Amino acid sequence: SAVISQKPSRDICQRGTSLTIQCQVDSQVTMMFWYRQQPGQSLTLIATANQGSEATYESGFVIDKFPISRPNLTFSTLTVSNMSPEDSSIYLCSVETAGVGNEQFFGPGTRLTVL
Amino acid sequence: GEDVEQSLFLSVREGDSSVINCTYTDSSSTYLYWYKQEPGAGLQLLTYIFSNMDMKQDQRLTVLLNKKDKHLSLRIADTQTGDSAIYFCAESIAPSGSARQLTFGSGTQLTVLP
Repeated sequence: SAVISQKPSRDICQRGTSLTIQCQVDSQVTMMFWYRQQPGQSLTLIATANQGSEATYESGFVIDKFPISRPNLTFSTLTVSNMSPEDSSIYLCSVETAGVGNEQFFGPGTRLTVL
Repeated sequence: GEDVEQSLFLSVREGDSSVINCTYTDSSSTYLYWYKQEPGAGLQLLTYIFSNMDMKQDQRLTVLLNKKDKHLSLRIADTQTGDSAIYFCAESIAPSGSARQLTFGSGTQLTVLP
């Protein structure tokens, strides 16, 4: 398994501002992902954070709105830019381990409220 | 396209068995997973099953996979109040030209009644 931490755990932000969420893993991993979980909803994949290259975004998500950094194999950041109330969600990072089941483990999430 | 469906709610009495069902559409899934999310927490991986298996047991958890019907279930024996949570099933697929990714169901809210 992998131990994943996220900062901040929660935040309340004003419309039009940006927030950067950090994700730290206790071991080197190849695959890191960022998900969004809107209130009462399931998880939607935002992007795959690639080490040393640009992130791969899913349909409906763009780099200008959700820039991602992945400077090394244990750390990534997701920025939610120019926020609006519709961005209020839980943002979770996950990592895929190299085990038999290709398990993905999740961080505790960052609960974001935009006023 | 991929689509994973679950019923939204399930209530059981403490001590009974719970069965949470899931259907998926992508026959190329390699692994299928069950996650648990408690209020205010992240997702905890409970168990997974490889697509060429039909059953996996892990203590109180039993996963059944019917690949022909694309149906997955999670049975929790002797359900306890601490099992109350949202349970997500997820399938692992590799879209053409893309890295492997998870597609999640809507989640089933399990409520355990005393």
